[in-house]
Amino acid sequence: AQSVTQPDIHITVSEGASLELRCNYSYGATPYLFWYVQSPGQGLQLLLKYFSGDTLVQGIKGFEAEFKRSQSSFNLRKPSVHWSDAAEYFCAVGAQNTDKLIFGTGTRLQVFP
Amino acid sequence: KAGVTQTPRYLIKTRGQQVTLSCSPISGHRSVSWYQQTPGQGLQFLFEYFSETQRNKGNFPGRFSGRQFSNSRSEMNVSTLELGDSALYLCASKEGRHGYTFGSGTRLTVV
Repeated sequence: AQSVTQPDIHITVSEGASLELRCNYSYGATPYLFWYVQSPGQGLQLLLKYFSGDTLVQGIKGFEAEFKRSQSSFNLRKPSVHWSDAAEYFCAVGAQNTDKLIFGTGTRLQVFP
Repeated sequence: KAGVTQTPRYLIKTRGQQVTLSCSPISGHRSVSWYQQTPGQGLQFLFEYFSETQRNKGNFPGRFSGRQFSNSRSEMNVSTLELGDSALYLCASKEGRHGYTFGSGTRLTVV
């Protein structure tokens, strides 16, 4: 069965520091992978997606993610975090024959000035 | 282009009542999905519709139902509400091989 694990429930970083949010997935074939961000009381905003091809994916707001098949990982990175990046981040996997998304439990990012 | 619009934004209902939530997808998007978000269970898939047909259904009781109209607008209905149905209900639409665009959600509180 498909599943997504986000090992870090809560991460705190200083503004300007680098960030890496971890995501591991379980899926039999090549998955579709997504990162979404959610601000309090809001819906989910798509940061980036991976379907195939180049394993390093660039997204919005300066985020990038790298697909590593050997590690079943799709970690999200940002070189320098801004206070406005404080939010909850969700990794998701989608199957190729359905539009259903399986989400991880999310990582709450707190940014200190 | 307008985003995904969900109405109402907030709703308070009493146990045993029923509720209907509405979702208007991005113009031209034919695929619509619904998710339930709670602190305990996280984001869980409810339904997926494409061109008025339900293609997938999540592991929810029969009290949860949905439909999609010819203009791609979608509704979901929950009958005989329980306290545990309190959640943020998110609708999302997509077209082709793109990630879903989510609405801001409907916050349902059951008292």
